[in-house]
Amino acid sequence: DQQVKQNSPSLSVQEGRISILNCDYTNSMFDYFLWYKKYPAEGPTFLISISSIKDKNEDGRFTVFLNKSAKHLSLHIVPSQPGDSAVYFCAARGPDSGYSTLTFGKGTMLLVSP
Amino acid sequence: NAGVTQTPKFRILKIGQSMTLQCTQDMNHNYMYWYRQDPGMGLKLIYYSVGAGITDKGEVPNGYNVSRSTTEDFPLRLELAAPSQTSVYFCASQLARNTDTQYFGPGTRLTVL
Repeated sequence: DQQVKQNSPSLSVQEGRISILNCDYTNSMFDYFLWYKKYPAEGPTFLISISSIKDKNEDGRFTVFLNKSAKHLSLHIVPSQPGDSAVYFCAARGPDSGYSTLTFGKGTMLLVSP
Repeated sequence: NAGVTQTPKFRILKIGQSMTLQCTQDMNHNYMYWYRQDPGMGLKLIYYSVGAGITDKGEVPNGYNVSRSTTEDFPLRLELAAPSQTSVYFCASQLARNTDTQYFGPGTRLTVL
C-alpha cells in the first residue's frame, strides 16, 4: 500500500516554462514533506521541504505547496532549465518509526528541452 | 569532507554468494539508512540506525543484515544473494531526527545472476 504516490512517471516541459510535479499521500500523520532530485548514476540530493503547519515554501526557482485537506503537495519550478532534467522524488516523514525515517514516492522524471 | 561514500560502485554476484556493501560518512551524523531502488520504483528502506549500536528494520529487511559499531560506518550484509536482490543500493545519513536533509551516497549497483 503506497503511502506516497507520484502518479506521473514523466513530464516534459520547454525551457523557460513552469514545471509542476505532483505528489499525493494517504497518511494524515505525516508531518514533514521533502523533495529530492536525482541525476543518473548519482544519489538523490535534497531540494526543498515543507512542514505540515505551512502551506507554501519557496527557495529561488523552487516552490512547494501543501494542501493538507486534499493530502496533496506540488513542486513548482519557474523558470525551468535544461539542468533541471532529473528524477524528482517526493518523500514524507511519519510516526511509524518515531519520525526517524522517510517514505518515498516512485519519482517523476522531468525532461526540460531547450 | 567526503560526505557519504559507498563501495563498491558495481558488483556482480552469483546466486548464493554473500557480500558486504560498505558505507561511511564523515559528517558525524547519528542517523544512517540503507535503501534499495528497483527500476521504476521509489526508494525502499531496508534498515536504519539512530546511533552506534542501534539498528532497526525498515520496509524490506528480509535477506539483509546490518551492524553499526561506529558512528561513521554502516555496512549492509547480503548472506545468500538472490536475483530479487538485484537493485541499486543507496546509503544515507542525517544529523538528527528533526533535521531536513538525508545525505545520500552515490549508490552501489548490484546484479545477482
